[in-house]
Amino acid sequence: DIQMTQSPSSMSASLGDRVTITCRASQDIGNYLSWFQQKPGKSPRRMIYGATNLAAGVPSRFSGSRSGSDYSLTISSLESEDMAIYYCLQSIQYPYTFGAGTKLELK
Amino acid sequence: EVQLVESGGGLVQPGRSLKLSCVASGFTFSNYGMNWIRQAPGKGLEWVAYISSGSSYIYYAETVKGRFTISRDNAKNTLYLQMTSLRSEDTALYYCARRDYRGLDYWGQGVMVTVSS
Repeated sequence: DIQMTQSPSSMSASLGDRVTITCRASQDIGNYLSWFQQKPGKSPRRMIYGATNLAAGVPSRFSGSRSGSDYSLTISSLESEDMAIYYCLQSIQYPYTFGAGTKLELK
Repeated sequence: EVQLVESGGGLVQPGRSLKLSCVASGFTFSNYGMNWIRQAPGKGLEWVAYISSGSSYIYYAETVKGRFTISRDNAKNTLYLQMTSLRSEDTALYYCARRDYRGLDYWGQGVMVTVSS
């Protein structure tokens, strides 16, 4: 199975900060990497797909990038509504595997 | 508008069975593979099972293989998860999610399954 190592597990940041979350894949997953945002009591919402593509309706301050086996989600200027848990997902093969999550909190 | 609505959850004793349903609307259900994903209380997301659009391909997580069965009825736009020999570690919020060409796009609101005596 492909392991997705996500970091950090939690972080606190201030409004307006630039924030980056990273997932490292244990095997080649190409660009089959998505990022999800989950707020308390809500279903996960896809933010990024194909490693770099913004999902419909997602603000442009969110972006995704790839460097080798490292995939990153960046929020260019943090807003209060971005406080949530973020998960990465590899979907190149089953079993699909998620990162452990990053809890983003306001400093 | 794509909608996925899960049902069938509840409190069940260890060793018993439960069947979840997920009714789809707003898209051509028979064209899409579907998944079940679960989330234990306060924990992360765990993929559980997948079924292709025509039921030809089915995959399970090792943690549920041999105990859970995924199926679908395209005439009824409904996805199912039959869960048997339930354990306390199966306690979770169960989501159904649609598979698109790059992963999972739409998710339901989830249904809670609690396994406890």
